[in-house]
Amino acid sequence: DAKTTQPTSMDCAEGRAANLPCNHSTISGNEYVYWYRQIHSQGPQYIIHGLKNNETNEMASLIITEDRKSSTLILPHATLRDTAVYYCIVRVHTGANNLFFGTGTRLTVIP
Amino acid sequence: DGGITQSPKYLFRKEGQNVTLSCEQNLNHDAMYWYRQDPGQGLRLIYYSQIVNDFQKGDIAEGYSVSREKKESFPLTVTSAQKNPTAFYLCASSITSTQNFNVQYFGAGTRLSVL
Repeated sequence: DAKTTQPTSMDCAEGRAANLPCNHSTISGNEYVYWYRQIHSQGPQYIIHGLKNNETNEMASLIITEDRKSSTLILPHATLRDTAVYYCIVRVHTGANNLFFGTGTRLTVIP
Repeated sequence: DGGITQSPKYLFRKEGQNVTLSCEQNLNHDAMYWYRQDPGQGLRLIYYSQIVNDFQKGDIAEGYSVSREKKESFPLTVTSAQKNPTAFYLCASSITSTQNFNVQYFGAGTRLSVL
């Protein structure tokens, strides 16, 4: 599995866009980028995933660079409830048995 | 509402005691997983099951056991052989299709402590 690198922590002002980066320079052609988040003392929550095209859903947007070596999760209008640890995970889409959750990025949304 | 239910929310274990954590899902998912999370750390896979009556060890299976007698249920037993069981335990499930295998849905977790 491709290894990912994320900043340990980030702050974002409430109402502003939160841009969370992830480096995955060893990603292979059949590996997807997944994003999850974990609010304190809760189970992780799936946010979005993508292969090479940018993706958007009701929660966030995912921007993947053309060479696929990095990606950015964008929360367009951060709220206090978005304060959480965000995990970037790279895995094949099928046949995988588990997701490797590293330590992620702790996002704090500031009022 | 569809989802994953873990119980209890908090559990205390005495020395030498086995305890069982419950995980039930009504999402009609084929695959189920158990993860362990220590403070400030990521998740580590204990066991997973892709189909009823079959399960596989994850990265840290020693001291744990599971069963998968029903599609909806995947209980985890923390045995007395697990010498450091204090942790946050998370159950997850996913569809084993070609499209969404790694979109896993998690329960709210069980926090286990040793008395």
